[in-house]
Amino acid sequence: DAGVTQSPTHLIKTRGQQVTLRCSPKSGHDTVSWYQQALGQGPQFIFQYYEEEERQRGNFPDRFSGHQFPNYSSELNVNALLLGDSALYLCASSLGFGNPNEKLFFGSGTQLSVL
Amino acid sequence: DQQVKQNSPSLSVQEGRISILNCDYTNSMFDYFLWYKKYPAEGPTFLISISSIKDKNEDGRFTVFLNKSAKHLSLHIVPSQPGDSAVYFCAASGLNAGNMLTFGGGTRLMVKP
Repeated sequence: DAGVTQSPTHLIKTRGQQVTLRCSPKSGHDTVSWYQQALGQGPQFIFQYYEEEERQRGNFPDRFSGHQFPNYSSELNVNALLLGDSALYLCASSLGFGNPNEKLFFGSGTQLSVL
Repeated sequence: DQQVKQNSPSLSVQEGRISILNCDYTNSMFDYFLWYKKYPAEGPTFLISISSIKDKNEDGRFTVFLNKSAKHLSLHIVPSQPGDSAVYFCAASGLNAGNMLTFGGGTRLMVKP
């Protein structure tokens, strides 16, 4: 049973560029959430997708956007990269939407470095 | 503002002893609390959770205690094992937030053999 898979594992970009990160949820899961984890901090919620729509969003600028495909996989796009966007980006999947008892399963993350 | 805080960035304990990790929160709308464990180069994995209607939940060596009046929760690991060495994150979700989680900054636990 494949867990949550993310690609790429590492990425180096320069300021002003755009980046796309990808996530395949755990088999059977239909909801995907994205988190940003800066060095030495806890993960911070970016947004959550269910039924191909953004359902909840954290305190992130519009430079951060996403998409969910019919097969439940998801992409995170970040435009006009800033040095402060350097972080580990974590994807998490779950079953259904809005149930706090539904555990999140996390991928290993994509380490983004902006130079 | 940090709504979930873990004030101890690191904790070192001897194998076989108890590990106590603490977490404080400020948002009274939080009603579900979780602990996640993270090893290097891996994503966080769910450990244990507790609903606000309870004050204690046990799962094997792991017990989470919730003190709602103090807005404080703690994770007890007894006995601690070297394999427990990891970063532990406390997380919370609110009534209408579904499983959107607010995380603390983490505590690095080191269990010495």
